[in-house]
Amino acid sequence: DQQVKQNSPSLSVQEGRISILNCDYTNSMFDYFLWYKKYPAEGPTFLISISSIKDKNEDGRFTVFLNKSAKHLSLHIVPSQPGDSAVYFCAASGVSGAGSYQLTFGKGTKLSVIP
Amino acid sequence: GAGVSQSPSNKVTEKGKDVELRCDPISGHTALYWYRQSLGQGLEFLIYFQGNSAPDKSGLPSDRFSAERTGGSVSTLTIQRTQQEDSAVYLCASSSDGFGQPQHFGDGTRLSIL
Repeated sequence: DQQVKQNSPSLSVQEGRISILNCDYTNSMFDYFLWYKKYPAEGPTFLISISSIKDKNEDGRFTVFLNKSAKHLSLHIVPSQPGDSAVYFCAASGVSGAGSYQLTFGKGTKLSVIP
Repeated sequence: GAGVSQSPSNKVTEKGKDVELRCDPISGHTALYWYRQSLGQGLEFLIYFQGNSAPDKSGLPSDRFSAERTGGSVSTLTIQRTQQEDSAVYLCASSSDGFGQPQHFGDGTRLSIL
C-alpha cells in the first residue's frame, strides 16, 4: 500500500508559467515533507522541505504548501524554466516502527518545461 | 569531492553471482541510508545506519541482502545469489543527524542481472 502518492506521472508546462506538482499521503504520523529533483543518471537532489507545523515554505521560485487535514502537499514553481525539466519526487518522513527516520517516496512526476 | 560517492556506477553480472556496492558518505554525516529504485517505481528504503546504533534493516527484501558500515563511514551493500528482480538503481544517501535533516544522495549504482 503506497503511503505517498504522486498521481500524475507527467506534467508539461510552458516556460514562464506556473508548475504545480501534487502529492498525497496516508500516514498521519509523517511530520516532515520534502521535495527532491532528479535528472537522468544522477541521484535525487534536495529541493525544499516543510515541517508539519507549517502550511507554507518558500525558497525563491519554489513554494511548498501543506494541507494536513487533506493529507496533501504541493510544489509550485513560478516562473517555470526549461532547466526545471526533471523528475520530482515527493517524500515524507517520520519515525519508523524500528525507530529510524526513514523517507517514504512517491513514484515521481516528470516535469517538462517547454520553451 | 564533497558529495556522496558510490561505486561502481554500473554493474552487470550473471544471475546467481554475488555483488558488492560501495557508498562513501559526506564527511561528518552520521546517518547513512540505502535505497533502490526499480524501473517506474519510487525509491524503496532498504537499510539505515545511525552512528554506532544497530542498523534498521526493516527494508531489506530478503536475507540475500546485507549491509555493513565500517568505522562509521564507508558502507557496503552486498547482494548474494543475485536474481533478475534485483536489477535496479541502488542509491545511497547520508544526512547530518538522521533525525529529519535532508538526505543527500549519491548518483547510484545501476545493477543489471542477466
